[in-house]
Amino acid sequence: AQSVTQPDIHITVSEGASLELRCNYSYGATPYLFWYVQSPGQGLQLLLKYFSGDTLVQGIKGFEAEFKRSQSSFNLRKPSVHWSDAAEYFCAVAYTGTASKLTFGTGTRLQVTL
Amino acid sequence: DADVTQTPRNRITKTGKRIMLECSQTKGHDRMYWYRQDPGLGLRLIYYSFDVKDINKGEISDGYSVSRQAQAKFSLSLESAIPNQTALYFCATSGTTDTQYFGPGTRLTVL
Repeated sequence: AQSVTQPDIHITVSEGASLELRCNYSYGATPYLFWYVQSPGQGLQLLLKYFSGDTLVQGIKGFEAEFKRSQSSFNLRKPSVHWSDAAEYFCAVAYTGTASKLTFGTGTRLQVTL
Repeated sequence: DADVTQTPRNRITKTGKRIMLECSQTKGHDRMYWYRQDPGLGLRLIYYSFDVKDINKGEISDGYSVSRQAQAKFSLSLESAIPNQTALYFCATSGTTDTQYFGPGTRLTVL
């Protein structure tokens, strides 16, 4: 069965600092990979996704993620964090060929200090 | 206007009561989903539907039922609510791009 691990429950960074949120998955084939963000009181918004091709994917709000097959990872990065990035971030994985059944990680809550 | 809407947004109910959560979408997607979110557990899939005649159980379907009234509408029912069903419930849709789009959520409290 597929699974997703987000090892960091909570991360605090200073505004303007760089950010990396970790995501590891367990699945035998190449998965579809997603990062979603949930702002307080809001639903989930898609930041970016990886299906195939270039392993470095660009998303909205200045985020990017890199798929590393050898490490079974799909870490989310941002060069300079803004206070408005404070939210909870979820990594998700789905079977190749059908992204209809997502398995989510437990989330990483990002706090940004001014 | 939001593409995926959920009603109600907040609901408080008592143990043993029947409750229905509704989801509507204007994206024209065939696939619809219901998830629940609990602190520290992420989102877990309750039910999903690939079209009006195709409904499937997800990871945690016990205690829940669903109805796909039309392509655009997918309802989640709790026949007899219990306190451990207190959670944040999300509806989502997806189309040919395999990307899921989420509604704003329904916060359900069962006393």
